[in-house]
Amino acid sequence: DIQMTQSPSSLSASVGDRVTMTCRASRSISKYLNWYQQKPGEAPKLLIYGASTLQSGVPSRFSGSGSETHFTLSISSLQPEDFATYYCQQGFTTPPVTFGQGTKLEIK
Amino acid sequence: EVQLLESGGGLVQPGGSLRLSCAASGFTFSTYAMSWVRQAPETGLEWVSGISGSGSSTYYADSVKGRFTISRDNSRNTVYLQMNSLRAEDAAVYYCAKDQVAGTSDTFDFWGQGILVTVSS
Repeated sequence: DIQMTQSPSSLSASVGDRVTMTCRASRSISKYLNWYQQKPGEAPKLLIYGASTLQSGVPSRFSGSGSETHFTLSISSLQPEDFATYYCQQGFTTPPVTFGQGTKLEIK
Repeated sequence: EVQLLESGGGLVQPGGSLRLSCAASGFTFSTYAMSWVRQAPETGLEWVSGISGSGSSTYYADSVKGRFTISRDNSRNTVYLQMNSLRAEDAAVYYCAKDQVAGTSDTFDFWGQGILVTVSS
């Protein structure tokens, strides 16, 4: 199975900051990498698919990049509603679909 | 508007069984693969099982293989997860999730609200 590792596990930032978080795959997954946002008590929401394509309706302050084994999710100017947990997920070699353990973005 | 509504969760004793349902609307159900993803308390997401649009192909995580069975009824726009021999570690919120594109993409663009399964004596 492909293992997905996210870093950092938690991140403190302020409104207006630019933040970047990382996801690494245990072997190459090309660009079959998705990012989800999850707020407490809610279902995950697809933000980015194919490593860098923004899902419809997602604000342009979110961006994704990377390929093979190294991927990043950036938020250019944090808004209050962006404080949440972010998960990466590979869809290259399935089953199983595998998720990273999450990065919790908290308000500083 | 796509909607996914899970039901069937609750409290069950270890070794017991439960069947989850996910009623879908707002899209051509039979065209899309569906999955179940779970989340234990204060932990991350774990993919559990997936099924093709026709229902002819099914997939399972090793942790549930042989105990859980996924199925679908395209006439009722519903996907099911039959869970047998439940263990304490199966306790979680279970989400059904829709594949993004017709066929299989393993990218989940819509999720249900989740249903809680508690396994305890």
